[in-house]
Amino acid sequence: DAMVIQNPRYQVTQFGKPVTLSCSQTLNHNVMYWYQQKSSQAPKLLFHYYDKDFNNEADTPDNFQSRRPNTSFCFLDIRSPGLGDAAMYLCATSRDSTYEQYFGPGTRLTVT
Amino acid sequence: KQEVTQIPAALSVPEGENLVLNCSFTDSAIYNLQWFRQDPGKGLTSLLLIQSSQREQTSGRLNASLDKSSGRSTLYIAASQPGDSATYLCASDTGRRALTFGSGTRLQVQP
Repeated sequence: DAMVIQNPRYQVTQFGKPVTLSCSQTLNHNVMYWYQQKSSQAPKLLFHYYDKDFNNEADTPDNFQSRRPNTSFCFLDIRSPGLGDAAMYLCATSRDSTYEQYFGPGTRLTVT
Repeated sequence: KQEVTQIPAALSVPEGENLVLNCSFTDSAIYNLQWFRQDPGKGLTSLLLIQSSQREQTSGRLNASLDKSSGRSTLYIAASQPGDSATYLCASDTGRRALTFGSGTRLQVQP
């Protein structure tokens, strides 16, 4: 089945220790998104790739970076995680920017 | 800047009831509106997508409507079941390639 896969599902990192979250898709969609969802809050878009073009949201902290080496994979790098970065990180894809978004199961990040 | 509001924040109903979840948005210039379901600690499952030119979409027991002029969308769930218990989120796309989400309605269907 075509799908969006996120690894790992649970990640524990130490304060200030860089961490990378992974997303892959078999849908061959050209747009990939990263959202942050804190407890009991709405998902918030961090950035997205439209093909190879990177689009950062204005209020996304510099601590968050992303890489998309090919159509199928996209990575979220947190350079120096703080306690406030503990959240669920959701990856999504869409065929184009105005089409339905498909979400992965998420990675729950804990910062100790 | 688009703002999306969902009312009520939480809802508890007995099994078998028909129910309506509400979503309102401030910018009516949307490309589409999407309804999602989220189970505790899990990702989002897309339920229905309504394009701006459409008035409603149906999937099984779910029906979503869209009224752009009033800035509202509703999700109607017929004959609710305990398995419908989850948080339901609506999200609007204003063409910036970014979905703006509401905070969700937490639904509990009592057996």
